[in-house]
Amino acid sequence: ETGVTQTPRHLVMGMTNKKSLKCEQHLGHNAMYWYKQSAKKPLELMFVYSLEERVENNSVPSRFSPECPNSSHLFLHLHTLQPEDSALYLCASSPRSSGNTGELFFGEGSRLTVL
Amino acid sequence: EDQVTQSPEALRLQEGESSSLNCSYTVSGLRGLFWYRQDPGKGPEFLFTLYSAGEEKEKERLKATLTKKESFLHITAPKPEDSATYLCAVQAGNTPLVFGKGTRLSVIA
Repeated sequence: ETGVTQTPRHLVMGMTNKKSLKCEQHLGHNAMYWYKQSAKKPLELMFVYSLEERVENNSVPSRFSPECPNSSHLFLHLHTLQPEDSALYLCASSPRSSGNTGELFFGEGSRLTVL
Repeated sequence: EDQVTQSPEALRLQEGESSSLNCSYTVSGLRGLFWYRQDPGKGPEFLFTLYSAGEEKEKERLKATLTKKESFLHITAPKPEDSATYLCAVQAGNTPLVFGKGTRLSVIA
């Protein structure tokens, strides 16, 4: 138990569906992250939120839309995805923003399959 | 552009057979180098942070070392439960982590 909980753990969706991934952290951290992990590729940073404000957006397509309503919750809204978006989506948190620490606490991930 | 290269891509060891994993990096102004362990179906778990050349950190059978160009993760007398993918990441200045592709370690009893 890392203190970072992601739901759902597995998701299958069609290209025209709309779904959301949810992340909740119980560690009292003030920075949260979305990463994408694909086979044979390094972890790719998608978004960073620090104190509920988006501080990093790594040229992610607009079909991915993050939301951070408070410092404990983070969502990734998905719509009109492509098959190449199939991957493991990891949420992480840290005590401070990514500029100050590389010690991240990851959830177990949401395995997304786009048909 | 900051880069991290891990080798080998995969490593298979017999139980008790010590070895090392390599992480080579090019970064302007290293702030820290980080090692993570990732088990199948789970998220990465933080292991170590190294800040400057010559620094070493140890945890059970693992020891991480750092030079100006690379880091090694030494595994002494590994056990099957050490089987996992080991990820290396670097941080430069005030920027997010840059990860390598990882080394997949299998320890056979």
